[in-house]
Amino acid sequence: GNSVTQMEGPVTLSEEAFLTINCTYTATGYPSLFWYVQYPGEGLQLLLKATKADDKGSNKGFEATYRKETTSFHLEKGSVQVSDSAVYFCALSDQTGANNLFFGTGTRLTVIP
Amino acid sequence: DAGVIQSPRHEVTEMGQEVTLRCKPISGHNSLFWYRQTMMRGLELLIYFNNNVPIDDSGMPEDRFSAKMPNASFSTLKIQPSEPRDSAVYFCASRGTSGPYEQYFGPGTRLTVT
Repeated sequence: GNSVTQMEGPVTLSEEAFLTINCTYTATGYPSLFWYVQYPGEGLQLLLKATKADDKGSNKGFEATYRKETTSFHLEKGSVQVSDSAVYFCALSDQTGANNLFFGTGTRLTVIP
Repeated sequence: DAGVIQSPRHEVTEMGQEVTLRCKPISGHNSLFWYRQTMMRGLELLIYFNNNVPIDDSGMPEDRFSAKMPNASFSTLKIQPSEPRDSAVYFCASRGTSGPYEQYFGPGTRLTVT
């Protein structure tokens, strides 16, 4: 079946530090992969996506590369800001789109000045 | 596009009362999802619709919960009677007809049952 395993938090970093949040998946076929971000008091927002192996999704300085050989989609940012403090969710959609998104449990990031 | 619209944004009610949450999906999207989020249980899928038809309601906690989608632009989630353990943030999301099938979330309704 389909599932996503995400790095447990919380993660606390100083401003300008490097961020990695690990995400691995189990899926049949060729899923699409996503990172969502949830800021305090808001809904989930799509941060970036990748639809096939070796694709790199990027947005707002965040990047993630679809690695089929390691079934991973790790989120990275070179220099975090206080405004990046949020909860980050990794998710996958199977290739047919017939089913729901499968979400990880979320990783809370706090960036301190 | 206005995005997914949910109302009300906040709802406070007493135990035993009926609660109705509303959602307007993004125009042109054909799938709609209802989620519940709590600290204890995280994000849970309650039910989803394709082309206004309920496809999977296995996440609906019990018969007190019901959801309808009478047309492509409107859905409701009803709780009757409400209980304190229903307190949570309820999200609606919609999805388009073609890949990669990302979902777009509304801002949520924060429900408090006292």
